[in-house]
This record gives sequence, structure tokens and C-alpha cells, in this order.
Amino acid sequence: DQQVKQNSPSLSVQEGRISILNCDYTNSMFDYFLWYKKYPAEGPTFLISISSIKDKNEDGRFTVFLNKSAKHLSLHIVPSQPGDSAVYFCAATLVRTGGFKTIFGAGTRLFVKA
Amino acid sequence: DAGVIQSPRHEVTEMGQEVTLRCKLISGHNSLFWYRQTMMRGLELLIYFNNNVPIDDSGMPEDRFSAKMPNASFSTLKIQPSEPRDSAVYFCASSRTGQATEAFFGQGTRLTVV
Repeated sequence: DQQVKQNSPSLSVQEGRISILNCDYTNSMFDYFLWYKKYPAEGPTFLISISSIKDKNEDGRFTVFLNKSAKHLSLHIVPSQPGDSAVYFCAATLVRTGGFKTIFGAGTRLFVKA
Repeated sequence: DAGVIQSPRHEVTEMGQEVTLRCKLISGHNSLFWYRQTMMRGLELLIYFNNNVPIDDSGMPEDRFSAKMPNASFSTLKIQPSEPRDSAVYFCASSRTGQATEAFFGQGTRLTVV
């Protein structure tokens, strides 16, 4: 049962254009949603997050949008740069007594062409 | 801070052998997560601890898998006996309770069971 789904395994974008990565989830109880970025042979690194009570969070070139009614979130990167080429994981967090549980999607590989 | 440290980086073992993966948390962090990355399922949460106590091990695939935190800064994930389908990259991540928006990952251990 995959609660967090990234249906596009890969995305190719021209440098300078917008990259839009999509994510769907099934559990309406998630408290936070996050995006992580992963380069080969490295662990994922945190990129940006959004609380379930918000619909948008922006950090420089990165913006995350949350549509709770559709159980959908997206990450926009603009303008895209070749260094953004990586695997992007969408994740969702349940906050519980005693800690929190974060579930990841399968990832989308982004290629930014120079 | 050196970040989350995992060892070994690579492990090749024969089917049926015991495998132990190790993780050192970031100083001051009190939550510890073990994830497994495969092509098909992306990043799967296996187990997480809070203050050395296992909170949720529902992701542990079978009884062959076990995880411990002998102290506040160190954890092990053991597979006994190992099988070829256990081949994957295993990540450890740590966080501070209350920082539900970010976890810090180690570089991972690539396990190959032949």
C-alpha cells in the first residue's frame, strides 16, 4: 500500500525553464509534506517542506504547492539549472506521540539539459 | 558535525550469511530511522526509534530483520540469514523530536547478497 505516489519516474527540462514535479497521497492525516533531493552515491537531503495547513511555501527557486482536496502536491523549480539534475523524493509525515513517521514516494529523476 | 555516519559503504555477502549495518546519529538527535531503497519501491521506512525506543517496526519485512539502539548515538540493522532479495541500499537518518520537517540521511550502505 503506497501512501505516497510519484507517477513520473523521470522528467527532462531545458535549462532556464520551469520543472514541475508531482506527487499524490492517500492519507488525509499527514501533517507535513516534504521534498528531498538525492544525488548518486549520496543520501537524500532535505529541500523544502509545507505544513498541511498551508497551500504554498516558497524558498528561492523552489516552491511547493499543496492541494488538500485533491491530495496532491507539486514542486516547482524555476529557473531550472543543470545542477538541479537529481532524483527528487516526495515525502509525507505523520506526527505522533513519541516521534514522527515519514513515508517516501518512489522518486522522480529530473534531467536539466544545458 | 560529521553528519550521520553509516558503515560499511558497500557490503557483498553470500546468501545465508549474517549482515550487520551500522549507523551513528548526529549528536543531539534523538530520532533514528532505517530506510531501504529499491528501484521498484523507492525509499521504504523499515523502523524508527525515538529516545532509543522502537516506535514503529511495521516496515520490517520479516523476522530475519532486526534493529537495535544500544545507546543514544548508535544503531544497528541486522539481517540473518540474508537473501538475494535483500539487495538494496540501506539508509539511516536522524532527527530531533519536534523537527518533523527534516531528517538528515547518511550516505547509505549498498548491500549485495549473492
